[in-house]
Amino acid sequence: GQQLNQSPQSMFIQEGEDVSMNCTSSSIFNTWLWYKQDPGEGPVLLIALYKAGELTSNGRLTAQFGITRKDSFLNISASIPSDVGIYFCAGRRQGGSEKLVFGKGTKLTVNP
Amino acid sequence: DAGVIQSPRHEVTEMGQEVTLRCKPISGHNSLFWYRQTMMRGLELLIYFNNNVPIDDSGMPEDRFSAKMPNASFSTLKIQPSEPRDSAVYFCASSVRLAGDHEQYFGPGTRLTVT
Repeated sequence: GQQLNQSPQSMFIQEGEDVSMNCTSSSIFNTWLWYKQDPGEGPVLLIALYKAGELTSNGRLTAQFGITRKDSFLNISASIPSDVGIYFCAGRRQGGSEKLVFGKGTKLTVNP
Repeated sequence: DAGVIQSPRHEVTEMGQEVTLRCKPISGHNSLFWYRQTMMRGLELLIYFNNNVPIDDSGMPEDRFSAKMPNASFSTLKIQPSEPRDSAVYFCASSVRLAGDHEQYFGPGTRLTVT
């Protein structure tokens, strides 16, 4: 099935650095969700976005719903070692059902 | 509150055997989703239910796969007969179907290995 274009695929950063990742689609989306997955666990919901241009924060995490409704961004400020994991974006298409389309993930490694 | 509960967490079986994966959604959630995750294909939706009724099963790979939701607190995903290519992590997720709210909450997954 269709997947979102998520980039970068992986990132290696130093503790304390800021991180930015994004997802793009050729279709218009009504909902964008960002998840984090730790090894051996299920994805955990971080942030949900429902309006174009919306900017939402959750602690050091900030996500934005692109004004074109075809993209979304996730930023992590002042990274710490526990930020390590795989981050997934997910979106629900305009006029779609409850189905979510997922990106392939961004694997984040934080060096202490 | 308890999250989505899945069992077993790990399953190792031989090709040709029947496999049954179980899921208990979050209490009060009325939509349930079964996903499969592999390195090659990422997260794929297999089937989802709303109010215990299957809504979309277009992601179910073959007739060997079947899913049921006999009541609001229990669902099963069955593979019969299993094949090595079915090896993956299977996730169950649930949500409350409200206007404008599409937040899905995932269980810990079942890691299936078919030898």
